[in-house]
Amino acid sequence: DQQVKQNSPSLSVQEGRISILNCDYTNSMFDYFLWYKKYPAEGPTFLISISSIKDKNEDGRFTVFLNKSAKHLSLHIVPSQPGDSAVYFCAALKSGKLIFGQGTELSVKP
Amino acid sequence: DTGVSQDPRHKITKRGQNVTFRCDPISEHNRLYWYRQTLGQGPEFLTYFQNEAQLEKSRLLSDRFSAERPKGSFSTLEIQRTEQGDSAMYLCASSLLVTNTGELFFGEGSRLTVL
Repeated sequence: DQQVKQNSPSLSVQEGRISILNCDYTNSMFDYFLWYKKYPAEGPTFLISISSIKDKNEDGRFTVFLNKSAKHLSLHIVPSQPGDSAVYFCAALKSGKLIFGQGTELSVKP
Repeated sequence: DTGVSQDPRHKITKRGQNVTFRCDPISEHNRLYWYRQTLGQGPEFLTYFQNEAQLEKSRLLSDRFSAERPKGSFSTLEIQRTEQGDSAMYLCASSLLVTNTGELFFGEGSRLTVL
């Protein structure tokens, strides 16, 4: 069963505009939700996270929103830069381990 | 460099051979994780250790797979009698027992190709 889902495999955005990446989950018992960024041939790198008791967390150009009633989280990147082009994974933490979505490939065009 | 390191970065082997991957976590981290990632998918949990104890194993980890963390520091993941379906990126991660972000720190991965 896919507990964490990213339904958009890809997203293309113009430089300077907002990128919105979405993620849905099915289990209400997750402790944290995280976003990771991954470049080809590298391991995932942590971007930002949010506790399950909060609804928003902001760090510079990155903001994560958590809608618990809809079991949905989103990552907003404003403004988007070409260096943001990568695969983004959302992940949920439960019992000490991360469960990942399938990833969304973001392409930011100059 | 004090990050998570994995060795080898790439391994090409013939079907039926055994392979072993090594992971050195961040030194003060109690927890060590193994994940597997195939093309177009997110990382899938395989197993994790707290110090030297293996706390959980995924059903993805068949009898051909074994992981150890003998002294609570580095870990090895061995795959016996490799099959073509084992071709994937094997990722190691480590973390503290308690964090305020939930973050796992990942290595760069070991890519396995089974011919």
